[in-house]
Amino acid sequence: QVQLQESGPGLVKPSETLSLTCTVSGGSISNYYWSWIRQPPGKGLEFLGYIYSSGITNYNPSLRSRVTMSADTSKSQFSLNLKYVTAADTAVYFCARFTEHQLKSDSYYYLEVWGKGTSVTVSS
Amino acid sequence: DIVMTQSPLSLPVTPGEPASISCRSSQSLLHRSGYHFLDWYVQKPGQSPKVLIYLTSNRASGVPDRFSGSGSGTDFTLRISRVEAGDVGVYYCMQALQTPRAFGQGTKLEIK
Repeated sequence: QVQLQESGPGLVKPSETLSLTCTVSGGSISNYYWSWIRQPPGKGLEFLGYIYSSGITNYNPSLRSRVTMSADTSKSQFSLNLKYVTAADTAVYFCARFTEHQLKSDSYYYLEVWGKGTSVTVSS
Repeated sequence: DIVMTQSPLSLPVTPGEPASISCRSSQSLLHRSGYHFLDWYVQKPGQSPKVLIYLTSNRASGVPDRFSGSGSGTDFTLRISRVEAGDVGVYYCMQALQTPRAFGQGTKLEIK
């Protein structure tokens, strides 16, 4: 059974870079889409973007050029870097895996496997 | 970007009674395949979200048949036929048609 575990600093200073890693166990990172979602305290979910195991990425434009995602298949890990953080980036960050559902001539992807989340506070 | 709007935001329900959550998208979620690209997730207290329904009406693995999804165009509904105490949590719809994916604000289901 695939499990995801987020890791990284729980406290980041304003204007610095938030770096998180998601470690995948019980399965391969290859040939899947992986994503990051965050949840500010007491608020709803925000989709940050996704990365395919080959390195193809798609980011939420709301994060502009601050976000970078990468994948390391040799370590079964994928990562999130968010630059120039502010207090508004304080949130629980979840990593998740897309599962493919095959349609007749297309594919559909939904978030089937989630990590437990890691809390990040931006404060000096 | 597609904006998702849920109602109600708070839903008190008596155990054994049905419940219904509405989700509206700012544009149609109809894909060229003929399917509507929408998921439902639930986040129980202290847990990470979990998929309930994908592709509008498909129950995810292990989800009881008390849960059902329906809808088309811009209007979608999650129904729970008989609410149980363990169903407490926040329910989110999410559009899967375009990037960036977008969640609704969430509907908090509580037991009366």
